[in-house]
Amino acid sequence: DQQVKQNSPSLSVQEGRISILNCDYTNSMFDYFLWYKKYPAEGPTFLISISSIKDKNEDGRFTVFLNKSAKHLSLHIVPSQPGDSAVYFCAGSAGTASKLTFGTGTRLQVTL
Amino acid sequence: GAVVSQHPSWVICKSGTSVKIECRSLDFQATTMFWYRQFPKQSLMLMATSNEGSKATYEQGVEKDKFLINHASLTLSTLTVTSAHPEDSSFYICSARDGRGPNGYTFGSGTRLTVV
Repeated sequence: DQQVKQNSPSLSVQEGRISILNCDYTNSMFDYFLWYKKYPAEGPTFLISISSIKDKNEDGRFTVFLNKSAKHLSLHIVPSQPGDSAVYFCAGSAGTASKLTFGTGTRLQVTL
Repeated sequence: GAVVSQHPSWVICKSGTSVKIECRSLDFQATTMFWYRQFPKQSLMLMATSNEGSKATYEQGVEKDKFLINHASLTLSTLTVTSAHPEDSSFYICSARDGRGPNGYTFGSGTRLTVV
């Protein structure tokens, strides 16, 4: 049972353009969502998060949008840079100190 | 910032042997640590949650006798893959709750295990 899904396994975006990564979830108990960036053979690095009581959170070039009724969230990166090329995972958590449930990941390639 | 050190970063072992992976929180105390496994081009799958001083909670389908988890101190959790087989070859990652609120999950750098 995949509670968190990222339906696009890969995405290619030109440098300077906007990257939009999508994530869908089924678990209504999730009250916090996080986005991580991951390089091969390394641990994930935290990017940005959003509480379920909000619909938007912004941090520099990164913005996360949450549509709770649709159980959908998205990560916007603008402008995209070549250094953003990595695999991005969304994750949900239900309650403080609870485990994270990760999505399947989207590989972003930012081209020159 | 919070740092989690995971060792070794890679290991090759023979079938039937056991391998221990260590996960240390360097500048904070971690009462809860998580162990994940990642197959190539797949998601991070939670294997177990370990709490200091108590038995680990394993996810469904994870063999607790095969993947032994010990969290004997507030800064160290270990995962031992016992009687390893080639199908255990994977990328293992630990994570610790670092007390920084809902965002406070710090990940180790991972261990690439290859069983030959």
